[in-house]
Amino acid sequence: DQQVKQNSPSLSVQEGRISILNCDYTNSMFDYFLWYKKYPAEGPTFLISISSIKDKNEDGRFTVFLNKSAKHLSLHIVPSQPGDSAVYFCAASAWGGTSYGKLTFGQGTILTVHP
Amino acid sequence: DTAVSQTPKYLVTQMGNDKSIKCEQNLGHDTMYWYKQDSKKFLKIMFSYNNKELIINETVPNRFSPKSPDKAHLNLHINSLELGDSAVYFCASSQGQGPTDTQYFGPGTRLTVL
Repeated sequence: DQQVKQNSPSLSVQEGRISILNCDYTNSMFDYFLWYKKYPAEGPTFLISISSIKDKNEDGRFTVFLNKSAKHLSLHIVPSQPGDSAVYFCAASAWGGTSYGKLTFGQGTILTVHP
Repeated sequence: DTAVSQTPKYLVTQMGNDKSIKCEQNLGHDTMYWYKQDSKKFLKIMFSYNNKELIINETVPNRFSPKSPDKAHLNLHINSLELGDSAVYFCASSQGQGPTDTQYFGPGTRLTVL
C-alpha cells in the first residue's frame, strides 16, 4: 500500500517554461511534505518543503503548493532550466505517530528540460 | 569532502552469500538511516539509528542487520542474500529525528544478487 504516489513517471518541458510535478498521499497523519531531487549516480538532495499549516512555500524558482483537502501537493519550477533535469521525489513525514522520524517517498518523476 | 559516503558503490554477488555495506557521515549528525530503492523506484526506509540506538526497524527480514559502532557510522550486513535483495541501498543522516531535520543522502550502493 503506497501512501505517497507520483502518477506521472516522466515529464518533458521546454527551457524557460513552467514544470509542474504532482504528488498525492493517502495518510491523513502526514503533516510535513518535502521534495527531493536526484541526479544519476547520486543520492537524493533536499529541495523544498512545506508544513501542513501552510498552503504554499516558495524558494527562488521553486514553489510547492499543498491542498490538504485533496491530499495533493505540487512542485512548480519557473522558469525551467536544462540543469533541472533530474528525478524528483515527493516525500511525506509527520510530527508524531508511526510516521515520525522517517520519510515516505513516492516513486519519482523524471523531469527532462529541453534547451 | 563527501558528507555521506558509502562503500562499495557497486556490489555483485551470488545468492546465499553474506555481504556488508558501510556508511560514514562527517556532518556531526546524531541520526542515520538505511533506505532501499526497489525495482519500482520507491525509496523505503529500513532502519534508523539515533546516537547509536535503533529507533526505527521497518518490516525487514532479519537477514538484514544494521550496526552502528559510533554516531558517524552505520553499516548494513546482509546474510544469505536472495535475488529479491537486488536494489539500490541509500544511507542518510540528519541532525535530529524530526520532519524538519533535513536528511542528507549518500550516493547509493547498487547490489546485484545473481
